[in-house]
Amino acid sequence: EAGVAQSPRYKIIEKRQSVAFWCNPISGHATLYWYQQILGQGPKLLIQFQNNGVVDDSQLPKDRFSAERLKGVDSTLKIQPAKLEDSAVYLCASSPIFEAFFGQGTRLTVV
Amino acid sequence: GENVEQHPSTLSVQEGDSAVIKCTYSDSASNYFPWYKQELGKGPQLIIDIRSNVGEKKDQRIAVTLNKTAKHFSLHITETQPEDSAVYFCAASMNAGNMLTFGGGTRLMVKP
Repeated sequence: EAGVAQSPRYKIIEKRQSVAFWCNPISGHATLYWYQQILGQGPKLLIQFQNNGVVDDSQLPKDRFSAERLKGVDSTLKIQPAKLEDSAVYLCASSPIFEAFFGQGTRLTVV
Repeated sequence: GENVEQHPSTLSVQEGDSAVIKCTYSDSASNYFPWYKQELGKGPQLIIDIRSNVGEKKDQRIAVTLNKTAKHFSLHITETQPEDSAVYFCAASMNAGNMLTFGGGTRLMVKP
């Protein structure tokens, strides 16, 4: 079974630029999450989708972050404009019910 | 909201010894507790989980225990091997399909 696919693996941008990340979840998983993992910390939820609807985006900085999940499958997370403190690994995960399976993440460096 | 504390932050053991990592959670409504292993440059990998209707679960060399009264759960790894070296995260969730709240992680180093 294919796992959660994310791209790109790495991205370096200057502050105030924009960036987008892509996620393809495991087939059949209705729930999709985006987590932010700052170096040395545990992942922190940004947004949760159930099919193509948002379940929880209370921790998403909506002035600069946006996410969508078209047709209830793939998802994109965008940051515009980026700040230095956005440097982190952005993890996508999908879940059938309880268990959450993570992709390898996108490492973002904002300089 | 839920808060998960994890200890220790680093743990060094000799190959063959046991390792124990402990977590506490704040919200008594949490009922699902997974453990993840994260190797350098990779995403977290689910290694074992437990739901609040059981007190202990074992899978080969790893086991997890849960004390709902005290609101803490632990990961036990026996007969550690160098390939067990990684960062381990505990997490808690309130319901099926709900967000996971993660602990701060434990860096486990197994010395050959």
